[in-house]
Amino acid sequence: DADVTQTPRNRITKTGKRIMLECSQTKGHDRMYWYRQDPGLGLRLIYYSFDVKDINKGEISDGYSVSRQAQAKFSLSLESAIPNQTALYFCATSSSGRDEQFFGPGTRLTVL
Amino acid sequence: GENVEQHPSTLSVQEGDSAVIKCTYSDSASNYFPWYKQELGKGPQLIIDIRSNVGEKKDQRIAVTLNKTAKHFSLHITETQPEDSAVYFCAATMGGSYIPTFGRGTSLIVHP
Repeated sequence: DADVTQTPRNRITKTGKRIMLECSQTKGHDRMYWYRQDPGLGLRLIYYSFDVKDINKGEISDGYSVSRQAQAKFSLSLESAIPNQTALYFCATSSSGRDEQFFGPGTRLTVL
Repeated sequence: GENVEQHPSTLSVQEGDSAVIKCTYSDSASNYFPWYKQELGKGPQLIIDIRSNVGEKKDQRIAVTLNKTAKHFSLHITETQPEDSAVYFCAATMGGSYIPTFGRGTSLIVHP
């Protein structure tokens, strides 16, 4: 089955550490997104990429960076993690010209 | 930018009852309105959507209505079942952007 996968699924780290969350997809989609979910705040867009050479900031990009290594891979990095980055992170994909987004299972990140 | 308000934040119903979740949006340029369902431990999944040229859309027990003049849209679930228990997100997408703005989510609990 074509899918969106995220690694790791859970991560506990300490303040100041560098963290990378990875997303890969076998759907053949060209567009990829990173969202953050906090209780009561819904899904907020961090970064998005419409193709390998395209990177765009979303609503809440401060403190985060991304890398689109290939059409199928999109990584999110926290250069120096802080406790208020504790959240559930989702990767999503979509096909060019289509609105529906397909979400991965999420990564639960805890920053102590 | 777009702003989406979603109510209620929590909705508790008995099995067999109907459930209604309401959203409002701010930007009249938005023309695509998806609804996503997030089950525990999973990523959101599209369950139904509607475009601005349609007033209502139905798929078995779920339906979505859109009032462009008032800038609000609603999700209706009839004959609720325990497996409908989940968090539901509405979203609004401005024409051509392919970037949805999500509401804060509604936790629906269906009691057997």
